[in-house]
Amino acid sequence: AQSVAQPEDQVNVAEGNPLTVKCTYSVSGNPYLFWYVQYPNRGLQFLLKYITGDNLVKGSYGFEAEFNKSQTSFHLKKPSALVSDSALYFCAVRDPYYTGRRALTFGSGTRLQVQP
Amino acid sequence: SAVISQKPSRDICQRGTSLTIQCQVDSQVTMMFWYRQQPGQSLTLIATANQGSEATYESGFVIDKFPISRPNLTFSTLTVSNLSPEDSSIYLCSVEDPQGEQYFGPGTRLTVT
Repeated sequence: AQSVAQPEDQVNVAEGNPLTVKCTYSVSGNPYLFWYVQYPNRGLQFLLKYITGDNLVKGSYGFEAEFNKSQTSFHLKKPSALVSDSALYFCAVRDPYYTGRRALTFGSGTRLQVQP
Repeated sequence: SAVISQKPSRDICQRGTSLTIQCQVDSQVTMMFWYRQQPGQSLTLIATANQGSEATYESGFVIDKFPISRPNLTFSTLTVSNLSPEDSSIYLCSVEDPQGEQYFGPGTRLTVT
């Protein structure tokens, strides 16, 4: 079964500094990887996905993620953090299409706190 | 991207009662998913609901406790039956678009007293 791990419960960064939120995965076959953000009292918002192609994926709100097959990682990054980026971030994985299973398996989440 | 609405947005229910959550999508979708997010935790898939077939439940979730309807391609309901305080969670529906992206509704926050 596929799984994702987010090793950090919380990441603290100063506004203007670069941020990284870590995610590692374990899947059989080629991974389908996603990042979502959850703001307080709101649903999940899609940020970006990796299915195939370039290892650097660009998404919403200036976020990007780097797929690294040898390290089985899919870290979320942003060059310059904003206070408004403070939220809960989830990494997720989906089985390849040939499995027929389309739902997502989520990591435990990482709370990002950006200090002014 | 699909626009998804859920009703109710929140509710407080008594132990032993049931709550039915509605999920409405602004476009026709084949697959809909129901997730649960317990307080301070990640999301866990309850079931996958395809129109015209029985929902497929994940391990640990059963139809008697979480009956699901999927009458058409834009609507689904999830009922949480025989409520206990352990059912206090946020329940979210999601859909997958043709590009393989999943979009989530705003969630229904359930508190069981």
